[in-house]
Amino acid sequence: DQQVKQNSPSLSVQEGRISILNCDYTNSMFDYFLWYKKYPAEGPTFLISISSIKDKNEDGRFTVFLNKSAKHLSLHIVPSQPGDSAVYFCAASERMDSSYKLIFGSGTRLLVRP
Amino acid sequence: DAGVIQSPRHEVTEMGQEVTLRCKPISGHDYLFWYRQTMMRGLELLIYFNNNVPIDDSGMPEDRFSAKMPNASFSTLKIQPSEPRDSAVYFCASSSLWGETQYFGPGTRLLVL
Repeated sequence: DQQVKQNSPSLSVQEGRISILNCDYTNSMFDYFLWYKKYPAEGPTFLISISSIKDKNEDGRFTVFLNKSAKHLSLHIVPSQPGDSAVYFCAASERMDSSYKLIFGSGTRLLVRP
Repeated sequence: DAGVIQSPRHEVTEMGQEVTLRCKPISGHDYLFWYRQTMMRGLELLIYFNNNVPIDDSGMPEDRFSAKMPNASFSTLKIQPSEPRDSAVYFCASSSLWGETQYFGPGTRLLVL
C-alpha cells in the first residue's frame, strides 16, 4: 500500500537532453510535494517543492509539474548534465495534518551520459 | 552552516549488541526526524521531535528501538538488542518550521552481523 510510487527504478538520458522523472500518489489529502536528490554515501538533498495550490514550479533547470486530478507529479531537468546523475526521490505530505510526515517514493536512479 | 551532523558514519556490530546513533541538527531548527533506508522498504520515517519532545513515534519498528533528544542540539537513536534485520542506513534530518523542507545528514550505515 505504497502511497507514493516511483514506477521507474532507473532512467538514462543523453547530456543536454531533457530528463523526466515521474511520481504517482494515492492519498488525495497530500498537499505538499518535494523532490530530493541523493548521491552515493550522502543524505538526500532538497531540490524543489510544490504546493497543491500550484500546478508548476520552476527553479533554474528544474521544473516540477503537479496534476492533482491524475495524482501525478513529474520533475523535468533541462538540459540534463552528467552531474545530475543521482537517485531522485519524490515525497509528499499533508501539511494540515497534525502529525507532519514526509512519505517517500522508492526513488529513480538517473544516469546522464556524456 | 555545518548542516546536520551524524555519527558514526559506519557501524558494524554483532547481533545482540547495543547500538547508539547520534545526530546534531542544524542550529535553530526546531524539528528533528529519524529515518531508515532499506532496499525493501525504502526511506521511512521512524520518529520525529518538536522542540525536543517526541511527537510521532509510530514508525519505530519495535521496543528495541528508542530515541531521545535531551537538548536542542543533540539526539540519539538506540537499538538494544540489535538484530541483523536492523542493518540499514539511518538518516537524521531537521527543519526550521512545521511543514518546511527537511535537511538530511549524511547517514549512518549500520551492519549487524
